[in-house]
Amino acid sequence: LAKTTQPISMDSYEGQEVNITCSHNNIATNDYITWYQQFPSQGPRFIIQGYKTKVTNEVASLFIPADRKSSTLSLPRVSLSDTAVYYCLVGGLSSNTGKLIFGQGTTLQVKP
Amino acid sequence: NAGVTQTPKFQVLKTGQSMTLQCAQDMNHEYMSWYRQDPGMGLRLIHYSVGAGITDQGEVPNGYNVSRSTTEDFPLRLLSAAPSQTSVYFCASRPLAGAVNEQFFGPGTRLTVL
Repeated sequence: LAKTTQPISMDSYEGQEVNITCSHNNIATNDYITWYQQFPSQGPRFIIQGYKTKVTNEVASLFIPADRKSSTLSLPRVSLSDTAVYYCLVGGLSSNTGKLIFGQGTTLQVKP
Repeated sequence: NAGVTQTPKFQVLKTGQSMTLQCAQDMNHEYMSWYRQDPGMGLRLIHYSVGAGITDQGEVPNGYNVSRSTTEDFPLRLLSAAPSQTSVYFCASRPLAGAVNEQFFGPGTRLTVL
């Protein structure tokens, strides 16, 4: 399973765009990149996942360069409620495994 | 659908006691897993299962047992609790097919071992 490296913490202000970059130099060919969000005292919540190029949903965008050794989660116009820990994970889907390993995550603090 | 449910929400044990954390899901998901989260840290995988009768170890399996007799339930057993097992425990599930790596987490069990 590929190891990921992401900043421990980030600060932002309401209304700004936030970009959190994750490094995964040893990503395997069949690995997907997945991001989760966790609020205090809650379980993590799936945000977005991708394999290459760009993926966008109603919550965020995920940018993956051609070499796939890094990825960037982009949160448009953050609000106070986006204050949370964001986890970047890489892993492949297999009918026999499919386990994901969480790192320490990035604590995003959004200020008014 | 109730999603993933966990009981109890809170538990205090004394060192050496045993207990079982319950996890159930009503989404017919094949894959279920248990994580622990220590203060200020990310989640660490304890055990996981890809279907009834099949379990495997994660990152930190020592001190924990699991079994999977049905698709719906995946209990986690602590045979002899230790203070190092004080943590918040999360259960998660997902279908093996469909959305890759999208797991659904329960609300967690906060365990304190004295």
